Amino acid sequence: DAGVIQSPRHEVTEMGQEVTLRCKPISGHDYLFWYRQTMMRGLELLIYFNNNVPIDDSGMPEDRFSAKMPNASFSTLKIQPSEPRDSAVYFCASSQTGLNTEAFFGQGTRLTVV
Amino acid sequence: QQQVKQSPQSLIVQKGGIPIINCAYENTAFDYFPWYQQFPGKGPALLIAIRPDVSEKKEGRFTISFNKSAKQFSLHIMDSQPGDSATYFCAANRGSARQLTFGSGTQLTVLP
Repeated sequence: DAGVIQSPRHEVTEMGQEVTLRCKPISGHDYLFWYRQTMMRGLELLIYFNNNVPIDDSGMPEDRFSAKMPNASFSTLKIQPSEPRDSAVYFCASSQTGLNTEAFFGQGTRLTVV
Repeated sequence: QQQVKQSPQSLIVQKGGIPIINCAYENTAFDYFPWYQQFPGKGPALLIAIRPDVSEKKEGRFTISFNKSAKQFSLHIMDSQPGDSATYFCAANRGSARQLTFGSGTQLTVLP
């Protein structure tokens, strides 16, 4: 398996534009997580899914952020409208059912909003 | 209290030294404590993990020490190498909860 695949690797966009980040989890994994990493706040969990259903979205900063998982092999994180303070590295991770199983991270999408 | 506090923020050691990174937690319901290693431009990757029923776990040059009564755990890297230069994150979660709570990270530099 190629691991968790995220696209794009880098995204530069203007304030106010819509941004969509994409993730393909590892096949067979039934949990998917979206994290945001910044210097100030470190690694923050935004939302996670189990079997394509959102379980906890309490980390989503505001209504401008939304996430979907239409099937077991694809998820998106959308920001609309984007703001400069959204600039960060966004990671997707996946894991499988089992107590304390390992979460595998993608390489991240570096988002810059100018 | 979900927070995991990590120190130091950065650490520089000479090759062969033994860097130690410390973490503390408040939530006594946490029962799984992994450490993740992150290289620049990459996602975090699991390095080693421990459950609170043991006080120490070793995997190669990496050791976790766990003090349940003090609610603290630490990572020791024996015979550190320049290739160990990375950012290290401690984390915690509980039972069937899937989300990891991460510490703030420690940037380790091992000088040749």
